[in-house]
Amino acid sequence: NFMLTQPHSVSESPGKTVTISCTGSSGSIASNYVQWYQQRPGSAPTTVIYEDNQRPSGVPDRFSGSIDSSSNSASLTISGLKTEDEADYYCQSYDSSNREVFGGGTKLTVL
Amino acid sequence: EVQLVQSGAEVKKPGESLRISCKGSGYSFTSYWISWVRQMPGKGLEWMGRIDPSDSYTNYSPSFQGHVTISADKSISTAYLQWSSLKASDTAMYYCARRSVDITYFDYWGQGTLVTVSS
Repeated sequence: NFMLTQPHSVSESPGKTVTISCTGSSGSIASNYVQWYQQRPGSAPTTVIYEDNQRPSGVPDRFSGSIDSSSNSASLTISGLKTEDEADYYCQSYDSSNREVFGGGTKLTVL
Repeated sequence: EVQLVQSGAEVKKPGESLRISCKGSGYSFTSYWISWVRQMPGKGLEWMGRIDPSDSYTNYSPSFQGHVTISADKSISTAYLQWSSLKASDTAMYYCARRSVDITYFDYWGQGTLVTVSS
């Protein structure tokens, strides 16, 4: 089964830049789009990046996404960190049967 | 305004059946697939499966195939997630979310339905 692996947690200070990785277990992560969702406590997830590096309207350009085929991974980078960015972040892509697969999630702490 | 409105919280006993719902409004219900996503307490998101309301075609995660049933009634723009015999391990928050062939991500989510299974 296709899996996406994320670090359990990351932390950084306000104003700094943080990168969260998402590594595919098999195949090429570049073969299917990767999305990133933000989930604050007690709320439903919202999209911050779709189709590898696209931002929905309303998402600040401090959020960016990228793909690194050499490491079979996707990354979410948040620059100019704000305390409001503290949340859980999930990557999502698809398996060979076009079924959605989520990464395990990364808890971002903004110290 | 696009909305996915889910049914309210449920408290059930092991072995009981349950159906929760997700009603879409503000868009053409048959133009978007509805997925169900589980989030167990303190855990991550798990995709359970989806339905195409236009023809009721379903696609399940292998982890959930045979354990739940996803259905839809397009006449009332509502999708359902159903259990025939609940277990304590089904205790979780369940979200519905929509996407389409053209929109490759979940652009709208329901507010979630908390299901508690306890004797």
